[in-house]
Amino acid sequence: NAGVMQNPRHLVRRRGQEARLRCSPMKGHSHVYWYRQLPEEGLKFMVYLQKENIIDESGMPKERFSAEFPKEGPSILRIQQVVRGDSAAYFCASSPNRGGQPQHFGDGTRLSIL
Amino acid sequence: GESVGLHLPTLSVQEGDNSIINCAYSNSASDYFIWYKQESGKGPQFIIDIRSNMDKRQGQRVTVLLNKTVKHLSLQIAATQPGDSAVYFCAENPGANSKLTFGKGITLSVRP
Repeated sequence: NAGVMQNPRHLVRRRGQEARLRCSPMKGHSHVYWYRQLPEEGLKFMVYLQKENIIDESGMPKERFSAEFPKEGPSILRIQQVVRGDSAAYFCASSPNRGGQPQHFGDGTRLSIL
Repeated sequence: GESVGLHLPTLSVQEGDNSIINCAYSNSASDYFIWYKQESGKGPQFIIDIRSNMDKRQGQRVTVLLNKTVKHLSLQIAATQPGDSAVYFCAENPGANSKLTFGKGITLSVRP
């Protein structure tokens, strides 16, 4: 079974551009979580989504960041008008149901802002 | 093996020794705890988890101990191998919507 798939693995953007990060959960999983990791730090929760619903976005910055998980296709984390401080590794995890543990992680997208 | 808290970022052990990695969690309402291993360039990999109604859980070469009185979690790795070298994170679930709160991580370095 394929695990959580994230793409691209590496993304380079200039300040002011948009970044789109994709996450396909494990087969049979309908719950997706996004986390951000700065160098030498632990992961910080951003947003939790179920198909077509945002369950918890308490960790997501109010501006420039948005996330979706459509009925068909991967979950998307979008960052508009990127700034240098957005440079980080963004990880996606999935679980089969609400409250389902453990969460299984993908290998992340490393976002670099020039 | 040595035990360290999260304020000491690196643990160095001899191959074959036992490793003990400690973690202090913050939320007394947390009911689920988990250890992840992260290798360079990869995502966190599940090692072992434990619910708050248990004190101890064993896996293959790993044991997690939970002390709710002092809000302390530890990961024991038996007969540490070079492949165990990685950064280890503890995480807790405060019980709201499954999101995990991660600690800062400890680097485990295994000397041959």
